Amino acid sequence: NAGVTQTPKFQVLKTGQSMTLQCAQDMNHNSMYWYRQDPGMGLRLIYYSASEGTTDKGEVPNGYNVSRLNKREFSLRLESAAPSQTSVYFCASARRTGDEQYFGPGTRLTVT
Amino acid sequence: AQSVTQPDIHITVSEGASLELRCNYSYGATPYLFWYVQSPGQGLQLLLKYFSGDTLVQGIKGFEAEFKRSQSSFNLRKPSVHWSDAAEYFCAVDLILTGGGNKLTFGTGTQLKVEL
Repeated sequence: NAGVTQTPKFQVLKTGQSMTLQCAQDMNHNSMYWYRQDPGMGLRLIYYSASEGTTDKGEVPNGYNVSRLNKREFSLRLESAAPSQTSVYFCASARRTGDEQYFGPGTRLTVT
Repeated sequence: AQSVTQPDIHITVSEGASLELRCNYSYGATPYLFWYVQSPGQGLQLLLKYFSGDTLVQGIKGFEAEFKRSQSSFNLRKPSVHWSDAAEYFCAVDLILTGGGNKLTFGTGTQLKVEL
């Protein structure tokens, strides 16, 4: 039981490049989330998926897109990376509304 | 809009000393409340949660937190800190979304340093 897994762990992009961050959970959870963590700002929600087939914007969705591929997988795409998107990205999942969220180990992204 | 305040950015305590990390929230109803811990280079791990009922909740690693409605606070405590407790601690408030699912609003974190 791996919990929440994220790939890659580290990534360096040049401004304007695109990439997809992958997230998968093996806990049969319904809800999945993408956060970014920046120094002094805690974690901020980018997008979430309350259940398979639905996605919604969080606090800071600009510059990102998501896909809930199936119940297990939730990917985050940067179409044209910008230096302001340099951050640590965390994926999380929860069994049902109001339950605690389980976090992956994070992806450290640097955009130059 | 809901918000979470952790007024202490950094705290240093001696090993064996007691610890209290402060958390205040602004929300129209009694929210679900959480404390998470993050070790360097790691993801977040849930320490404890409050949904309802007894206002003193016990968590993992010897931590506890007390919900005080009158003060809109949910402070984290530990009677005797161990060197391995050095980490960053996040308080979070859960909002149930109209579209389903839930959204955690995090405080900005408190970095705990433990002196040997």
